[in-house]
Amino acid sequence: GAVVSQHPSWVICKSGTSVKIECRSLDFQATTMFWYRQFPKQSLMLMATSNEGSKATYEQGVEKDKFLINHASLTLSTLTVTSAHPEDSSFYICSAPLRGSYNSPLHFGNGTRLTVT
Amino acid sequence: AQSVSQHNHHVILSEAASLELGCNYSYGGTVNLFWYVQYPGQHLQLLLKYFSGDPLVKGIKGFEAEFIKSKFSFNLRKPSVQWSDTAEYFCAVQNTGNQFYFGTGTSLTVIP
Repeated sequence: GAVVSQHPSWVICKSGTSVKIECRSLDFQATTMFWYRQFPKQSLMLMATSNEGSKATYEQGVEKDKFLINHASLTLSTLTVTSAHPEDSSFYICSAPLRGSYNSPLHFGNGTRLTVT
Repeated sequence: AQSVSQHNHHVILSEAASLELGCNYSYGGTVNLFWYVQYPGQHLQLLLKYFSGDPLVKGIKGFEAEFIKSKFSFNLRKPSVQWSDTAEYFCAVQNTGNQFYFGTGTSLTVIP
């Protein structure tokens, strides 16, 4: 079946450094990918919609300069947390609709646990 | 702004009890509706979905949900829960802009 692969699964970084998270669609092309953030015991918060070949669309309140998204190919989207701070520590999840269109459920990556010290 | 509300934050049931988890959304346009489940230590998995047609949809593992348009609701049900249903359940709405929004989640604990 369709698989979304996310890497790394967990990362620990020092405050002020940048971290890149990759999201790949393994057996389908994803023109659109979504990045979510999940706090402990809370729901997924949509951060941004990543569009292949164009700029990402950010949700209100999400800093686009801090959370850089690049969707360079039909199978890869990256999220870079720039100048990370402890408050950026969270669980980041990417997802993609199988057919990249309306009427298509999301397939999720396994998430990335980011800890900023 | 669009929102998805799940009224039950934590539900504890004994095995064989019936389950109903509430989900309401606020969005004026056409939507698709989903329920996802997250088992401990695993990623989100699709339980069921509603696009159009029969408002009563059946999903995997004996789950079903009913879309009531007038109430903007999409409640999840299961007649008899099992210990293995212990998980986090998320209701989600997909708008015509192809964006997905999730509810706050309901933690279900089933006691053997």
